Amino acid sequence: EDKVVQSPLSLVVHEGDTVTLNCSYEVTNFRSLLWYKQEKKAPTFLFMLTSSGIEKKSGRLSSILDKKELFSILNITATQTGDSAIYLCAVGGKSTFGDGTTLTVKP
Amino acid sequence: DAGVTQSPTHLIKTRGQHVTLRCSPISGHKSVSWYQQVLGQGPQFIFQYYEKEERGRGNFPDRFSARQFPNYSSELNVNALLLGDSALYLCASSWGQGRSTGELFFGEGSRLTVL
Repeated sequence: EDKVVQSPLSLVVHEGDTVTLNCSYEVTNFRSLLWYKQEKKAPTFLFMLTSSGIEKKSGRLSSILDKKELFSILNITATQTGDSAIYLCAVGGKSTFGDGTTLTVKP
Repeated sequence: DAGVTQSPTHLIKTRGQHVTLRCSPISGHKSVSWYQQVLGQGPQFIFQYYEKEERGRGNFPDRFSARQFPNYSSELNVNALLLGDSALYLCASSWGQGRSTGELFFGEGSRLTVL
């Protein structure tokens, strides 16, 4: 059975801090790893990673995949209050999701 | 362009009742997937439909069923509701069959409360 574990489960930081969110996985049919941001209801897409070692960047967010060690990290630099959300990681043929990391950024 | 639309947005049912949730995918998307998200957990995969055929089913009881129509919209049906069915039901659409080969576009969800 596919498994995705995210850590930490929750995180509270202050504006300007840098955070690193972790996602480890065990899947039988790896195709890609995706990160989503869920602020209220609908998760919105952040990154899709398919190859090891290639960093994806979008503004203050970046992510990288390690297919040998079966994990990915999502970095957010210079955090803002608008970054407060649940960050979800998904992998595998059935889009198996982790339980997410709840990030709270305080002013 | 319209995104994924779901209806109803909120509903309250009592145990033993039946519920139908509806989803319209983004225009041009042929794949629709359904997820259940309980508070504090990530979305759990229920079904995927592609070109009106079921292409995947998660670990949910037979009380859960779904279908996809010729216009690619979809319905999720849940019979004999239990308290534990209370959750946010998310619909996601994508271009192709692979659920995790590409980005999923999510609707705002249907919040089901079972009393």
